[in-house]
Amino acid sequence: SQTIHQWPATLVQPVGSPLSLECTVEGTSNPNLYWYRQAAGRGLQLLFYSVGIGQISSEVPQNLSASRPQDRQFILSSKKLLLSDSGFYLCAWDGDYGYTFGSGTRLTVV
Amino acid sequence: QKEVEQNSGPLSVPEGAIASLNCTYSDRGSQSFFWYRQYSGKSPELIMFIYSNGDKEDGRFTAQLNKASQYVSLLIRDSQPSDSATYLCAVPGGFQKLVFGTGTRLLVSP
Repeated sequence: SQTIHQWPATLVQPVGSPLSLECTVEGTSNPNLYWYRQAAGRGLQLLFYSVGIGQISSEVPQNLSASRPQDRQFILSSKKLLLSDSGFYLCAWDGDYGYTFGSGTRLTVV
Repeated sequence: QKEVEQNSGPLSVPEGAIASLNCTYSDRGSQSFFWYRQYSGKSPELIMFIYSNGDKEDGRFTAQLNKASQYVSLLIRDSQPSDSATYLCAVPGGFQKLVFGTGTRLLVSP
């Protein structure tokens, strides 16, 4: 069966610090992978998606970046965090019926 | 830009009642529709999807699709306090991407 792992679960980072969030998928090959952000009390905003190794599409210009170094690994990064980067970050993969989400990372930038 | 609209709620229903959640979408060409449930602090989980006009039933959940009127509904029969959550509607928003509504918060009181 397919599973998706995301870590860490929570993160508190100072403004200006770097960020690296990792997502891995098991039990499938060549998945479409997605990073979403959910700000407090708001909807899901698609940040990046990837259809294969090294292939990244950005939906919203910002100080975040994404990389896909391996087939089942998707990484979200930032060189310098802003207060506005706080939120709930969700990785998802595109299965046969809709998305399956990871457990999410709650990022607080202080 | 495809849009999905939901009433933010909260929708309050007593235990045992039918909860009716609605979603409208802007793209008349949308073919598939998804309902996700998100408990507070958790990631969304897929509970229903529907492709055809009419009703689709799964246990206590019924999804209703009306393409002519561009709305999709989720009915929850015999609502339980454990159904209290935010329900997100989603439609395809381009190449294998989902666009999510902001969600309706459901509160089921004992």
